[in-house]
Amino acid sequence: GENVEQHPSTLSVQEGDSAVIKCTYSDSASNYFPWYKQELGKGPQLIIDIRSNVGEKKDQRIAVTLNKTAKHFSLHITETQPEDSAVYFCAASNNRGSTLGRLYFGRGTQLTVWP
Amino acid sequence: DSGVTQTPKHLITATGQRVTLRCSPRSGDLSVYWYQQSLDQGLQFLIQYYNGEERAKGNILERFSAQQFPDLHSELNLSSLELGDSALYFCASSASTDTQYFGPGTRLTVL
Repeated sequence: GENVEQHPSTLSVQEGDSAVIKCTYSDSASNYFPWYKQELGKGPQLIIDIRSNVGEKKDQRIAVTLNKTAKHFSLHITETQPEDSAVYFCAASNNRGSTLGRLYFGRGTQLTVWP
Repeated sequence: DSGVTQTPKHLITATGQRVTLRCSPRSGDLSVYWYQQSLDQGLQFLIQYYNGEERAKGNILERFSAQQFPDLHSELNLSSLELGDSALYFCASSASTDTQYFGPGTRLTVL
């Protein structure tokens, strides 16, 4: 099955700096890559997603890039704010057979933004 | 707020017992997914239902079962509970096969 690896596991940045989280996946059939933010005591919240027919997507301070050849995708947060502090998860899925719609998650990145 | 609701928020029970976790998907979503989140395993897919029928299965234990009812709410049944079943259990729903919205979760503690 699919294997998603995520780095780094922890990331500390100063407010206003940028943060980058990287993920790799193993199954070339994967075609959907969402990112989730999870705050303490809450469920994962979808913040941005990208499909395999697109190389980059941006939503205000958040952007995601996808390199299908390298099986690599990244989350970029610019102008970080203390409220960006949370655990971020990348995930991958495909629309194929018995794994239809199932999300495979990375292990998460604890982002801390210092004021 | 994702629009997905889960009850109860917290559940404390003893080994060997059986519990039922409930999920109501977003209005109009036909797919419901169950995930388990633990410190050692991370977020793991358990099972998916689409419009009342089982669609996909992950590494779900035989002691665990789920169903989706005609009103589209879903229940996850966990039986013969063990200490290792202590975890957060999330439900997610989607209108299609990709974009999933997660509920607030049920924290299960098995003593």
